[in-house]
Amino acid sequence: DVKVTQSSRYLVKRTGEKVFLECVQDMDHENMFWYRQDPGLGLRLIYFSYDVKMKEKGDIPEGYSVSREKKERFSLILESASTNQTSMYLCASRTSGMSYNEQFFGPGTRLTVL
Amino acid sequence: AQKVTQAQTEISVVEKEDVTLDCVYETRDTTYYLFWYKQPPSGELVFLIRRNSFDEQNEISGRYSWNFQKSTSSFNFTITASQVVDSAVYFCALSEAPNFGNEKLTFGTGTRLTIIP
Repeated sequence: DVKVTQSSRYLVKRTGEKVFLECVQDMDHENMFWYRQDPGLGLRLIYFSYDVKMKEKGDIPEGYSVSREKKERFSLILESASTNQTSMYLCASRTSGMSYNEQFFGPGTRLTVL
Repeated sequence: AQKVTQAQTEISVVEKEDVTLDCVYETRDTTYYLFWYKQPPSGELVFLIRRNSFDEQNEISGRYSWNFQKSTSSFNFTITASQVVDSAVYFCALSEAPNFGNEKLTFGTGTRLTIIP
């Protein structure tokens, strides 16, 4: 079974702190994604990566950056956390191919910025 | 731009009742994929089904069934004889046309389904 793990289930940070959210997948997937989930807004794509060291902005990249130094690991970075970044963060991965394969999701990190 | 609309924000039904979750999508692509995901209280999204735009056959999997109609741009999900374990948030999603593996998913805002014992 595909397994996507995220470093923390719950995280509390202060405004202005630098925050790292880590995601690891164990199925050699090429594509990895970071979403944030907010009530009434569904899932919104922050960044995605289709290969090592490659990244693309999603729909809401402002205030975030990402790093993918190894195929299995995709990190989301909040350079200076703000209260409006309090949210549930979901990581996902999928294998690329001719058809659009489903994404596999991690359990999520609920981040609170005080 | 692509868009997915799940107009039902919350639904509550009594156990054993049937329930249908609506999904309406917008896209200019002729090739696309539609998905349903379930998010139980634990938080992890679970993949339920994928359907490509050239396959309009309805699908049944146990108590779950899906009705894809291109004419109305809808991909509705029905749970028959609902159970308490079906309580979750359900998301409908739409992919972009194939683009060398760089396609993104657009999610709806989700429908929170509560099954009352």
